[in-house]
Amino acid sequence: SAVISQKPSRDICQRGTSLTIQCQVDSQVTMMFWYRQQPGQSLTLIATANQGSEATYESGFVIDKFPISRPNLTFSTLTVSNMSPEDSSIYLCSVWFGPNTEAFFGQGTRLTVV
Amino acid sequence: SQQGEEDPQALSIQEGENATMNCSYKTSINNLQWYRQNSGRGLVHLILIRSNEREKHSGRLRVTLDTSKKSSSLLITASRAADTASYFCATDAFTSGTYKYIFGTGTRLKVLA
Repeated sequence: SAVISQKPSRDICQRGTSLTIQCQVDSQVTMMFWYRQQPGQSLTLIATANQGSEATYESGFVIDKFPISRPNLTFSTLTVSNMSPEDSSIYLCSVWFGPNTEAFFGQGTRLTVV
Repeated sequence: SQQGEEDPQALSIQEGENATMNCSYKTSINNLQWYRQNSGRGLVHLILIRSNEREKHSGRLRVTLDTSKKSSSLLITASRAADTASYFCATDAFTSGTYKYIFGTGTRLKVLA
C-alpha cells in the first residue's frame, strides 16, 4: 500500500499565473499518474510520470501547459501553467505498483482560477 | 482519454433495492477495478477482478467481467443510503510502450431512504 500526501489541498489563483502541485509518497514506486477531475466528471489521465523517463502525455495535454517533474521514486510535481478559468478542476496524483494491483490516490488539489 | 464508458450515467433507487452499473472498455486489459467516490471526497477502492476471472464477490458487491465483450458489471445488493456515491471502473493496459491506468465515465448512484 501507499500513503500519498498532496499539496496544496486547494488554491485560488489569478489567471495567467502558474501553480505547482506536489505529490509525496511514503514508499518507492515507479509508476505515477496525474489526473484531472472536472466537477461532476470522471478522472481524465493527464500524463504518466515514471521515474527515470520523460513524462508521457495523453491527447489534449502538453508539456508546456502541464510540466511534470519526477526526481525520485517518492516525489513528483505537476505545474499548471498560464492558468485560465478553464483549468479550474481537481488535480490528483496516483501511484501504482503494477498489473493486478490497485492504484492509490492523493486527496486531490482543488484549483479555482479567477 | 477515457478508456471506458459506463452506464447508466445516473441511477436512483430505493433503499434495499439492488443497483447494477456497467462498464465497457476498449483495449485488452490485465485487470479491471471499481472505485467509489463520495461527493467531494477521495477515491475508495472497492474490488479488483483479473482478466482471467469471470466473477468476484466482496460483501454486498458482485463484479463480473466478460473480456470477449470488453465489459464488466458491478452489482450492489440490498443498497443503503450510504451507498450514494459515484462509481468508476478503471483498467490498466500496456499501450504505446507504457502502462496506463484509465477510468471510465462513471455512474452516479443515489439511494433514497
